[in-house]
Amino acid sequence: AQRVTQPEKLLSVFKGAPVELKCNYSYSGSPELFWYVQYSRQRLQLLLRHISRESIKGFTADLNKGETSFHLKKPFAQEEDSAMYYCALRIGANNLFFGTGTRLTVIP
Amino acid sequence: EAGVTQFPSHSVIEKGQTVTLRCDPISGHDNLYWYRRVMGKEIKFLLHFVKESKQDESGMPNNRFLAERTGGTYSTLKVQPAELEDSGVYFCASSQDLGKGNTIYFGEGSWLTVV
Repeated sequence: AQRVTQPEKLLSVFKGAPVELKCNYSYSGSPELFWYVQYSRQRLQLLLRHISRESIKGFTADLNKGETSFHLKKPFAQEEDSAMYYCALRIGANNLFFGTGTRLTVIP
Repeated sequence: EAGVTQFPSHSVIEKGQTVTLRCDPISGHDNLYWYRRVMGKEIKFLLHFVKESKQDESGMPNNRFLAERTGGTYSTLKVQPAELEDSGVYFCASSQDLGKGNTIYFGEGSWLTVV
């Protein structure tokens, strides 16, 4: 069963516009959620995690247990935000379940 | 500090041949993971080593895949014999310790194409 769902494979926004990448998860326990990003020709890297409640590169994500969501948001998109974004759920100590990813393109 | 390194970065082999992928984790990281993404699908967990021991290999697709981590340092993932559906990107990752708050660092991936 798909544990992490990212409904949008592709998302395009104009520079300066708000952006929201959707992520929904399925897990009955206490979830640990992450957003990973892969820029062109670079490795997959951690963007942020819900337990840190941090803002990285202007991105934030709030865990909504009622809606089982962990959407990634940024109020003003920049061209350098163009990348592949993966939502991931960790179950247990080691196993990361990834969504299929959303390719974000920020149009100048 | 060097990141997770993988070799080769790209490999094209014929169906039925053997390929061995190598991963060097970040120095000092006991935990080593293999993941793969086949075309159009999500990144899927394959297995997890703690030092030289296989902690969890529930994601290994079948017995054509063999992962080793002798000595608890680098790891190899061998596919023998390779099939067309094995084409994809194989990611290696490592982390220092387990538990909430630890970060899993990924390599750049090894692109495998089976023709």
